[in-house]
Amino acid sequence: AQSVAQPEDQVNVAEGNPLTVKCTYSVSGNPYLFWYVQYPNRGLQFLLKYITGDNLVKGSYGFEAEFNKSQTSFHLKKPSALVSDSALYFCAVRDNSGSARQLTFGSGTQLTVLP
Amino acid sequence: SQTIHQWPATLVQPVGSPLSLECTVEGTSNPNLYWYRQAAGRGLQLLFYSVGIGQISSEVPQNLSASRPQDRQFILSSKKLLLSDSGFYLCAWSWSGTGIYEQYFGPGTRLTVT
Repeated sequence: AQSVAQPEDQVNVAEGNPLTVKCTYSVSGNPYLFWYVQYPNRGLQFLLKYITGDNLVKGSYGFEAEFNKSQTSFHLKKPSALVSDSALYFCAVRDNSGSARQLTFGSGTQLTVLP
Repeated sequence: SQTIHQWPATLVQPVGSPLSLECTVEGTSNPNLYWYRQAAGRGLQLLFYSVGIGQISSEVPQNLSASRPQDRQFILSSKKLLLSDSGFYLCAWSWSGTGIYEQYFGPGTRLTVT
């Protein structure tokens, strides 16, 4: 069975500094990985995904994620954080069983960007 | 482009009352559809998913049920609500088929059972 872990419940970073939100995964077979963002009382918004190819994936709003197979990680990054990036971030991994069940989500990381 | 709608946005219901939450998707055909519950603003729990009309798979035992009467309509129901049913309910869709597809989420329904 697949699983994903987000080891940090809360990440604080100063505006303008780089940010990293961590994610590690466990799957059998090829990993397919996703990042989502959720603002208060809103649905999740898709940011980016890794399927295959280049280990650095670029997504929406200036976010990118780095796939590292040896460390089984898929950390979300942004070179310069904005206050408006403050939100709840979820990492997800695809179910490789082939069923439509598809995504298993991590527990979420609350990012706060301090002005 | 595709759009997903959920209603109502908020709902306050007494214990023991029935529930009906609706989700519709526009701009696509034969999507996979999903119902999630998010408790305490954190983890997502997959409740049901559907790959077609009348085809519902349940992930967890509970007093909720789901139906898909039309291709792009997904309904979450309960005959008698429990206090523990309170939460933020999210509907999502994805492309069907064998590709690796992300899910797209609706705006959610905040349910409070009193």
